[in-house]
Amino acid sequence: EVQLVESGGGLVQPGGSLRLSCAASGFTFSRYSMNWVRQAPGKGLEWVAYISSVTSDKHYVDSVKGRFTISRDNAKDSLSLQMNSLRADDTAVYYCVRDSDYAFHIWGQGTMVTVSS
Amino acid sequence: QSALTQPPSASGFPGQSVTISCTGTSRDVGGYNYVSWYQQHPGKAPKVLIYEVSKRPSGVPDRFSGSKSGNAAFLTVSGLQAEDEADYYCSSYAGDINWVFGGGTKLTVL
Repeated sequence: EVQLVESGGGLVQPGGSLRLSCAASGFTFSRYSMNWVRQAPGKGLEWVAYISSVTSDKHYVDSVKGRFTISRDNAKDSLSLQMNSLRADDTAVYYCVRDSDYAFHIWGQGTMVTVSS
Repeated sequence: QSALTQPPSASGFPGQSVTISCTGTSRDVGGYNYVSWYQQHPGKAPKVLIYEVSKRPSGVPDRFSGSKSGNAAFLTVSGLQAEDEADYYCSSYAGDINWVFGGGTKLTVL
């Protein structure tokens, strides 16, 4: 079964840091580009970051550039998101997502990040 | 990186058809045939219904169909069923490895 399982969410103070992880299983992880997509409470979806399958080319939404870093370890079938200088408007459920054909086909269950003092 | 525009709500009776619109610009919806649609039930992760404007992944019923005209895309749900009540989001590739989503449409089955 194709599966993505996120972890690492929690409560963090403004200005703090958090590292999210995503464990992939059931498919050849190294063949797929991966993304993080977030959803603030009661709000819509927002694409956050992308990393290519092999070259690790990385792209970000403007609001997180310079603060968030996406990375992957193909040997461990894992994806990460290092989040620094967190702000209240980063509060959201963060989904690990596999893309293909320019669409988001496989989603994890999500991990909640709350930025609050 | 502006969000795509969707109506906040839509509704229909069981068995009827409902169409949800998604309006963007020539830099996203109008510029690429990479529009996708997602269904999200409360407390659940989104699920892809349509990709590349009108293609359905295996397992998605053919009651769900997608189309595009200019800078607007459309999701049609035919033969509405109670389990179709959910939030629906459109998304489009916007070039330079960048995606935008719509604000979402809450579909109510009356």
